[in-house]
Order: sequence, then structure tokens, then C-alpha cells
Amino acid sequence: GIQVEQSPPDLILQEGANSTLRCNFSDSVNNLQWFHQNPWGQLINLFYIPSGTKQNGRLSATTVATERYSLLYISSSQTTDSGVYFCAVSRAASKLTFGTGTRLQVTL
Amino acid sequence: GAVVSQHPSWVICKSGTSVKIECRSLDFQATTMFWYRQFPKQSLMLMATSNEGSKATYEQGVEKDKFLINHASLTLSTLTVTSAHPEDSSFYICSAIRQQETQYFGPGTRLLVL
Repeated sequence: GIQVEQSPPDLILQEGANSTLRCNFSDSVNNLQWFHQNPWGQLINLFYIPSGTKQNGRLSATTVATERYSLLYISSSQTTDSGVYFCAVSRAASKLTFGTGTRLQVTL
Repeated sequence: GAVVSQHPSWVICKSGTSVKIECRSLDFQATTMFWYRQFPKQSLMLMATSNEGSKATYEQGVEKDKFLINHASLTLSTLTVTSAHPEDSSFYICSAIRQQETQYFGPGTRLLVL
């Protein structure tokens, strides 16, 4: 099956800093989503981005499908950004394969 | 926005009992729902695909007789963990597809089997 690797696995930032999270996948996909899992376990949709670039407030994402990677940018990080960020991809039948996740901690 | 609920949010049970978890899409109809399992500090693993009006499709290694899935309507899927054992303790999360392949996730159910 398709492999999805995320980097870095862990990240500690001071409030206000910027960061870039990366998602590499091993095969072509027609669906890519970014999620934030908060400390209570809820998965929050950030982006549906099989290709191109999108922005939503302090977050933006870029997917280069031909090179099989996606990037999530977090600017001016806040403590509420803490949690685990997952990318997930699918090729067919909507079955998402989740990446390994990046655990982010934003400190004061 | 798309809202998916799960009930209960947490459950503690004795070994050998069965536990039913409900997943509902509150503001849209979902012909397809998914069930995932997540162990501490790990990623989500797909267990099965639940299709309204038909049998669920299970991923390799998931026992269909242990994890019973029923998708009786366009807004409700249930997962029953039969004869639960401590190794079944986990965080169970459902999702539903609204449109354009975007999946929306429920808040999850924490199961602890003693």
C-alpha cells in the first residue's frame, strides 16, 4: 500500500515562530487532506488539497502532486496550535492512509 | 460545516462484554462512513469501510466477527466490539464523506477494557 511519511516527528516552537511541516507519499494520489488532532483527540479538517496552494488565516498548504509531497505552513504560532498534525492521502475508494504525524508543542 | 458525532465519548467495561459505538452525521447524508482505531502516540489505522445498506468492507487483519459494523441509515453507522478484551482498549474514531472525497471526523470514543 501507499506509504506516507511526515517530518519532523516532533517540533517545539516558541509562540510567534513560524514552521513548515512536510508530508511525503510513495505513489500518486487524488486526495490529500491535512488535519490537526487536538489534545482531546478531535480531528479538525485544515485543508483538502490534492494539488496547488491554499491559505486559511495563519495556515497555508501546498501540494506538489508530481513530486509527491505536501507542505503545511504555520505562521505566528500560538499555544492553541499544539497537538498532532496529520496528512492523509487516498488513491481510490476514498480510503485514507494517514501519515506518521508531527507532534507540535508551542510554548510561551 | 459538516458535523459528525459519536456516542459514547468514553466507555469502561469488563473483559468479555460487548460495547456498541454510534457514529452519526448530523447535517448531511453519508452513504459511506469509516471506522479507525488509534493507539497512544500512534497514527490512525483504518479498520473498515461502512456502506449504507450493504456489508462493511474490512481491512486486512481486522476480525469482522469481533468488530461488527452496521450502517442502517444514511446518517448512522454503529461499531460493536464483541467480547472485548484489554487489548481492544483504544481510541475509536469514525468519519463520514460529505462531498469531493473530504472526510469529516467524529470526536472519537475512548474504550478501556478491564
